[in-house]
Amino acid sequence: DGGITQSPKYLFRKEGQNVTLSCEQNLNHDAMYWYRQDPGQGLRLIYYSQIVNDFQKGDIAEGYSVSREKKESFPLTVTSAQKNPTAFYLCAASDGPYGYTFGSGTRLTVV
Amino acid sequence: GQQLNQSPQSMFIQEGEDVSMNCTSSSIFNTWLWYKQDPGEGPVLLIALYKAGELTSNGRLTAQFGITRKDSFLNISASIPSDVGIYFCAGQGALPNFGNEKLTFGTGTRLTIIP
Repeated sequence: DGGITQSPKYLFRKEGQNVTLSCEQNLNHDAMYWYRQDPGQGLRLIYYSQIVNDFQKGDIAEGYSVSREKKESFPLTVTSAQKNPTAFYLCAASDGPYGYTFGSGTRLTVV
Repeated sequence: GQQLNQSPQSMFIQEGEDVSMNCTSSSIFNTWLWYKQDPGEGPVLLIALYKAGELTSNGRLTAQFGITRKDSFLNISASIPSDVGIYFCAGQGALPNFGNEKLTFGTGTRLTIIP
């Protein structure tokens, strides 16, 4: 079945560490997105990519970085510069006017 | 970044009751979508609307694309326990203009069913 795979489901990070969240899709969609969701809150856009080797900052890009070397993959790195990284991270892909398909999310906790 | 105004923020209802929520925007959208998010999961698409005035049903769910293209509502009839979750509206701009695929999301409506 086509879909979005995010891994890991749960991730623990020590203060000052960089961590990378994986997002893989087999939908052959051009556009991919990363969102952050805090408890009881809506979705805030971190980064998005319309095509391979190109990506754009979203509303809260500071402290995050991404790459898009392959169409299927859009990993997100949470750097030590992100002072409050504990959140639920969602990856999505889209292909035109049919909305997004989301992954099942990664819950990141700073310990 | 812009977020759509979605109301109410939360709802506490009894099983069997009908539910109504809406979303408004200062901008015109060409597509309106409604998603549901279960706890600890990603949102799942419920209904997509592509034409102003369109009324679409999906089982117990009914959604409408406002005639002004600046609003949409979602109704759930005869609620059941599995309806619990967060509901998000989303608007999408005109396609195929590059960059307009990006969705603008509402702030969410949290639905809780009281035993």
